[in-house]
Amino acid sequence: GNSVTQMEGPVTLSEEAFLTINCTYTATGYPSLFWYVQYPGEGLQLLLKATKADDKGSNKGFEATYRKETTSFHLEKGSVQVSDSAVYFCALKSNNNDMRFGAGTRLTVKP
Amino acid sequence: KAGVTQTPRYLIKTRGQQVTLSCSPISGHRSVSWYQQTPGQGLQFLFEYFSETQRNKGNFPGRFSGRQFSNSRSEMNVSTLELGDSALYLCASSLAQGPNTGELFFGEGSRLTVL
Repeated sequence: GNSVTQMEGPVTLSEEAFLTINCTYTATGYPSLFWYVQYPGEGLQLLLKATKADDKGSNKGFEATYRKETTSFHLEKGSVQVSDSAVYFCALKSNNNDMRFGAGTRLTVKP
Repeated sequence: KAGVTQTPRYLIKTRGQQVTLSCSPISGHRSVSWYQQTPGQGLQFLFEYFSETQRNKGNFPGRFSGRQFSNSRSEMNVSTLELGDSALYLCASSLAQGPNTGELFFGEGSRLTVL
């Protein structure tokens, strides 16, 4: 079945450090890929998405590229801020509307 | 535009009881999905409803059920509660128009504690 695997956390970085959160997926067909973010005490919200191979999703300085050859969708940001502290979820949606999430990676950014 | 509204936000039940959670999607959204979030298991898919029909179902026992009404509002029910059912239950709605769109809009969740 479809599944998403993302790097385990927690991840702790200093402000302005470079961030990478790895995500790989297993799916049949051509899924859409997403990164969602959950700030403390809130529900999840969409951070960025990519719907086909080689697409790059970007938002708020975060980027992720849909790599079909490596079945990956790694999240990156060049310079993190304290306000980026949250839990990040990688997700996929298959052609039959089956939506799957990774386990989540908690990021803490220290001043 | 109002967001996804979940009620109640917090509730405490005892083992063996049953609970009903409610979700009002964003106006115009016809798809509603439910997820269980726990520290140990992460975010697990329960079920998805579209136009009052269950379209997808996760791997949960039959104690977990749901339904969707003609106005797209959805409820989920958990019967014979167990301690392990303590979790944050998240509802998400989407337009669900066409494949591979997939953007979900989440509510803030209903936090259930089973004692």
